[in-house]
Amino acid sequence: DTEVTQTPKHLVMGMTNKKSLKCEQHMGHRAMYWYKQKAKKPPELMFVYSYEKLSINESVPSRFSPECPNSSLLNLHLHALQPEDSALYLCASSQDRQGATDTQYFGPGTRLTVL
Amino acid sequence: GQNIDQPTEMTATEGAIVQINCTYQTSGFNGLFWYQQHAGEAPTFLSYNVLDGLEEKGRFSSFLSRSKGYSYLLLKELQMKDSASYLCAVVDSNYQLIWGAGTKLIIKP
Repeated sequence: DTEVTQTPKHLVMGMTNKKSLKCEQHMGHRAMYWYKQKAKKPPELMFVYSYEKLSINESVPSRFSPECPNSSLLNLHLHALQPEDSALYLCASSQDRQGATDTQYFGPGTRLTVL
Repeated sequence: GQNIDQPTEMTATEGAIVQINCTYQTSGFNGLFWYQQHAGEAPTFLSYNVLDGLEEKGRFSSFLSRSKGYSYLLLKELQMKDSASYLCAVVDSNYQLIWGAGTKLIIKP
């Protein structure tokens, strides 16, 4: 089973709203990732959690706040977003951060529109 | 800096063979991935190469030459469902994935 699930599938929010994106995997992976992807561009890394600790924050604005409640769950809390934050948000997981087993498996993504 | 180059777009005919090239210059190398991504969907894993040579997996094969900083993805017996973007990504010395911009493959009947 190489499934990563994400909810919701689509989200429309205003600039003053607070919302959360959720990601779950049950593959026993210890690394989880948030990516942002704009149309016709590659995924852009936002955050990496390794063993439930934030290991990489790619200078993401504070209006995006990640949370890893346990090894299977990853959340992305959104607050005061801008229209340019509209994108596909992808969650991924991998067995570990290093070595040949670092294949990342992606969830289906959340299509976010900020009005 | 780190750089990965792929053609922006390619067109091929159903039933034919197509080769998508990827060249890279990165700080260190710990493997190269190919992912397939249909429009509006998540990337799905196709292959991983860390040693030189050809890895075959059904209709898809991936080749790596570390000395040349070069890889290709070979798709045989093309089907309409192969129309997608193909992303090359290199694992650098910090074990971070560096992504190419992707190659949009259009299959014509």
